Parts: sequence; C-alpha cells; structure tokens
Amino acid sequence: GNSVTQMEGPVTLSEEAFLTINCTYTATGYPSLFWYVQYPGEGLQLLLKATKADDKGSNKGFEATYRKETTSFHLEKGSVQVSDSAVYFCALNVGAQKLVFGQGTRLTINP
Amino acid sequence: KAGVTQTPRYLIKTRGQQVTLSCSPISGHRSVSWYQQTPGQGLQFLFEYFSETQRNKGNFPGRFSGRQFSNSRSEMNVSTLELGDSALYLCASSLAVGGQGAGELFFGEGSRLTVL
Repeated sequence: GNSVTQMEGPVTLSEEAFLTINCTYTATGYPSLFWYVQYPGEGLQLLLKATKADDKGSNKGFEATYRKETTSFHLEKGSVQVSDSAVYFCALNVGAQKLVFGQGTRLTINP
Repeated sequence: KAGVTQTPRYLIKTRGQQVTLSCSPISGHRSVSWYQQTPGQGLQFLFEYFSETQRNKGNFPGRFSGRQFSNSRSEMNVSTLELGDSALYLCASSLAVGGQGAGELFFGEGSRLTVL
C-alpha cells in the first residue's frame, strides 16, 4: 500500500543550525510528494512539493529532492530560525486530492 | 481572498449523539476534502468531494458521511459518536483543475470535537 514514514520527533535545535527531517515513502505508481507545515494554532500549509523524480521543491529556505532510487524526500534548511518552530508533515498524493501523511515531526528552535 | 472556513471551531458531544461540521472553501475551489487528525493515528483521509460528488473515500466506517452543495460548501456528519471520534477534523479545498495542482490543498483551522 501507500505509506509515509518520517523521523520521529520532537527535534530541538538552536537558531542558525542545519535542519534535516527524514522522510521515506512506499507507493504504487509515481506519486507527487509534499511537505506541509502546521504552525501553532494554525491549519496546515503547503511548504513545498515535487512531482517527479529528481525534482527539487523549495520555499522559505527549505528544500527537498524527490529521490526515486531511495524512495525519499528529506526536508532540509541551512539555517533555521525561531519562527520555523512548527510540526512538519511529509505526504504523498495517491490520486485526485487524497494525501497520505506521515506522523509529523515537531520542531522547536531555541534562540 | 478569504481562506477555508470551518464551523464550529470547538464542540463537545456525548457518546451516541451525532454531529455536523461545516466547511466553506476558498472561492473558486470546487474540491473539498476532509481529514481526521488525532495524536495516535495522525492525519487520515476521510473523503473528497468535487462538484457535489464523492470522488474518494478513506477507510472509515459508514457513521462518517459527507456531502457537498452546489456552491461547493461541504458538510460532514458523524453519527452515533464514540469516544474514539474525538479529534481535530480538518477541511481542505483545492482548485483541482485536471491534474494541475493535485495534492495542493488549502486547509482550514479545523473543528475540534470532544466526545465524552
């Protein structure tokens, strides 16, 4: 079946540290991959996406590359800020508007 | 442009009751999806409606149902509530024009249901 596995949190980093949140997937066919972010007290927001192998999605300094050979879509940012504290969800699209989400990774950035 | 609006934001029900949640999508969006978010199960897809037709359904019992109106507004209903139905119910809308934007969802802030 279709599934997404994210690294377990919570993750705590200091400001300006390098961030990696691992995400791997299992899917039939060729899914599109996404990272969504949920800031405290807000709904989920699309952070970035990639629709085919080797595509790189980027937004707000975050990047993720669709790696078909390793079935991965790891989220990275070179220098995190306190405002990046949120819960991050990796997801894949399996048709129409149905998304399969990972469990989420809570990120806390300390000043 | 107004975002996705969900009502009510918070509600408390008792076991056996039923509940109806409402969602107003972003203007022009014809696809509305519903997700259940719990600490244990995470985010799980309930169903998606497009042009008043259910296009996709997740693995939830028949107590969970939904509908979409001609103005794209959507409601979901849960009957015979159980304690395990306590969750944040998220509605999301999207343009969903052909294959463009598949998976690009705009979420509301959710309706938090507590079942006692």
